[in-house]
Amino acid sequence: EDKVVQSPLSLVVHEGDTVTLNCSYEVTNFRSLLWYKQEKKAPTFLFMLTSSGIEKKSGRLSSILDKKELFSILNITATQTGDSAIYLCAVTLQGAQKLVFGQGTRLTINP
Amino acid sequence: NAGVTQTPKFQVLKTGQSMTLQCAQDMNHEYMSWYRQDPGMGLRLIHYSVGAGITDQGEVPNGYNVSRSTTEDFPLRLLSAAPSQTSVYFCASSYSQGQAEQFFGPGTRLTVL
Repeated sequence: EDKVVQSPLSLVVHEGDTVTLNCSYEVTNFRSLLWYKQEKKAPTFLFMLTSSGIEKKSGRLSSILDKKELFSILNITATQTGDSAIYLCAVTLQGAQKLVFGQGTRLTINP
Repeated sequence: NAGVTQTPKFQVLKTGQSMTLQCAQDMNHEYMSWYRQDPGMGLRLIHYSVGAGITDQGEVPNGYNVSRSTTEDFPLRLLSAAPSQTSVYFCASSYSQGQAEQFFGPGTRLTVL
């Protein structure tokens, strides 16, 4: 069975801290890994990763994939209260147009 | 472009009632899907469609029906609502079968009493 596991499930930090969110996967025929941010409503796309070792970066957020060890991390530096959200990791499979989601990490940034 | 729209935003049903959750997109996307989101369980795929007239089951299809008569619309029908179907439902779409990034609608919060 295809499985995506995120850790931690919940994280509370102070504004300005750096956080690392983890996503590991066990799937057949991996194609890509995606990160989404979900605030009050729909998930919004952050990154898509297909190759190992290539960092994707957007402002204070960055992500990298390790296809040998089957995991990805999402880093957020100098966190702000606006970063408070649920962060979802999902994996797509070759030949199957669907996303397999992890449980999500609920990140809370306190001022 | 409105993107992906969903109606209603909120709905309360009694056990045994039926209803249809509407989903529409104006981006000419081929692929559309329905997910449900429950606390601590991420998003789980209910049904998906790779084009008009083609639908398939996802991870948790029982109790739900879908159809895709047009490219734009992908309604989700609850045949006989049960309390276990209390959830937040998201519709999503993407350009094609090879496009990984999906665009999500705002969600429908459904409560079944």
